[in-house]
Amino acid sequence: DAGITQSPRHKVTETGTPVTLRCHQTENHRYMYWYRQDPGHGLRLIHYSYGVKDTDKGEVSDGYSVSRSKTEDFLLTLESATSSQTSVYFCAIVGEGGNQPQHFGDGTRLSIL
Amino acid sequence: RKEVEQDPGPFNVPEGATVAFNCTYSNSASQSFFWYRQDCRKEPKLLMSVYSSGNEDGRFTAQLNRASQYISLLIRDSKLSDSATYLCVVNSRAGANNLFFGTGTRLTVIP
Repeated sequence: DAGITQSPRHKVTETGTPVTLRCHQTENHRYMYWYRQDPGHGLRLIHYSYGVKDTDKGEVSDGYSVSRSKTEDFLLTLESATSSQTSVYFCAIVGEGGNQPQHFGDGTRLSIL
Repeated sequence: RKEVEQDPGPFNVPEGATVAFNCTYSNSASQSFFWYRQDCRKEPKLLMSVYSSGNEDGRFTAQLNRASQYISLLIRDSKLSDSATYLCVVNSRAGANNLFFGTGTRLTVIP
């Protein structure tokens, strides 16, 4: 399995609170991704990173921010969580070179009450 | 229009059956194609890449038709353990690592 771990695995919190999810990799890969998965929508890209301090928005970035201060960690922050952000969040990494498949962490189940 | 479209199913087939899934993609610049498998409440896992000439991995065969922008996955001799959701995945453009995911096709293999 790819060396990628997500934390926490489960979280329940209240509307309006800040939440930070962590993705940690041991593969030294440049590219890292955050997705959310909801019924009927499949996986949707929130933000991605192509290097330390280099990030870009994905399809559903509103309400989310990210940071990548070192190669191994990619953080996803919900500044003020809303119920619409209840979802399963997956982090992914991809090897060097183009046209590569992505490999996923175990996911974080986040519930915003 | 979605980047990747799949029949959501569900497909319910008996053990030993052959089943085929299809997928269409909208971006003619896509160059990389994959099938992922996702079990309930688990992360997606790469099943196989799809090559232009078609490729096979045991009981699984993937085909690509660039002219029609169509990808298929054939599973022969279905096993109970094949029950899962199968995701069709394409990249955004040549050389890109960013991927678009279909919503998945649900397969249940029945004893």
